[in-house]
Amino acid sequence: DTGVSQNPRHKITKRGQNVTFRCDPISEHNRLYWYRQTLGQGPEFLTYFQNEAQLEKSRLLSDRFSAERPKGSFSTLEIQRTEQGDSAMYLCASSSTVRSNEKLFFGSGTQLSVL
Amino acid sequence: GQSLEQPSEVTAVEGAIVQINCTYQTSGFYGLSWYQQHDGGAPTFLSYNALDGLEETGRFSSFLSRSDSYGYLLLQELQMKDSASYFCAVRRDGGYQKVTFGIGTKLQVIP
Repeated sequence: DTGVSQNPRHKITKRGQNVTFRCDPISEHNRLYWYRQTLGQGPEFLTYFQNEAQLEKSRLLSDRFSAERPKGSFSTLEIQRTEQGDSAMYLCASSSTVRSNEKLFFGSGTQLSVL
Repeated sequence: GQSLEQPSEVTAVEGAIVQINCTYQTSGFYGLSWYQQHDGGAPTFLSYNALDGLEETGRFSSFLSRSDSYGYLLLQELQMKDSASYFCAVRRDGGYQKVTFGIGTKLQVIP
């Protein structure tokens, strides 16, 4: 399977705990995006990487959120001191800068529930 | 800032044609994409318009008018499996290319 892979699929945590999600993009894709989606809403942009460089981070994100993409391959999204409002589906997407660069390929997401 | 508007829900009959509209406001507009998302699934790419006009991909077509900041997705010969949410998304120009999604239109296809 050469699609975008996200782990874990589901995460249940208690308020105040830290969580980390992983995204493995399609191997030849150098662009990687993180989005958050709640029920009945569209994906909300969180941050964007081109290779290992984080080029944009949403102003909506608090300092509790951080993302990395070491070596321009997989990426991690960490949420510190989780709050109930962080409960959402966290989606990762990747795209190429060369072929079909208008297409975002999404992973199946990580569903976070903060109790 | 950026904004996209699309209807929240649409109901159509199996075999019919449905059009889902999207209006947008953004600086540095580069192109308009459409994505489909079934309940519990990931968004999947349907089509993309960077230039004015109609793009056809099988039963799905997408239209863009840059001067009107308007686009639509046309679904023909509706099938039950087309019941899903449809999102328009704007792609902005620049050294990076952020993609911003609308809130989505939930399409229900009825027999």
